[in-house]
Amino acid sequence: DTGVSQDPRHKITKRGQNVTFRCDPISEHNRLYWYRQTLGQGPEFLTYFQNEAQLEKSRLLSDRFSAERPKGSFSTLEIQRTEQGDSAMYLCASSSRAAMRTEAFFGQGTRLTVV
Amino acid sequence: AQKVTQAQTEISVVEKEDVTLDCVYETRDTTYYLFWYKQPPSGELVFLIRRNSFDEQNEISGRYSWNFQKSTSSFNFTITASQVVDSAVYFCALSEGGGQAGTALIFGKGTTLSVSS
Repeated sequence: DTGVSQDPRHKITKRGQNVTFRCDPISEHNRLYWYRQTLGQGPEFLTYFQNEAQLEKSRLLSDRFSAERPKGSFSTLEIQRTEQGDSAMYLCASSSRAAMRTEAFFGQGTRLTVV
Repeated sequence: AQKVTQAQTEISVVEKEDVTLDCVYETRDTTYYLFWYKQPPSGELVFLIRRNSFDEQNEISGRYSWNFQKSTSSFNFTITASQVVDSAVYFCALSEGGGQAGTALIFGKGTTLSVSS
């Protein structure tokens, strides 16, 4: 397994456009997380899936944001009507249920620039 | 409220120097987990260590060591004999609760370590 994979790595979009990012977790991991990281800051939690169920959402996840994990494998994060403030690195992570609190493995992220 | 503070924004050292990265956390939970991650220029967060709140033993892994002190709510990270490849942003993170759910990591703002040759 090559780890958590995110696509695309970079995305430049015009304000007002919709964008969608994809995350492929480590294959045996049933937990999947999305985080957002802006320049000079640590990652901030957006949402969490266990299998296909979205169990937790941060207040940072406005109505313009939606995440899905339809078959409990890959996940997508869509941002509608993008704003300049959405420019950030979007990180995906996955972890296993094998232990009570095992570490999360992160992908390389998708860097979004809204112009 | 939960919070992680990394007071050192940037640290610069010369190769072979020892360096300690500070981390102070706040939580009301008695069961929690602490983590350190490394973020090299490539952007991917690399897991370094996890420690639960009931295990205050210090840990050493090669040139890395961690000092967990509940009395001061600190979880400091020391790199011995630093190398240029250690240059990265280092994040301390907290995960609360002992429940079944995969709760979120709360990250500090990170410390940028620059090691020059």
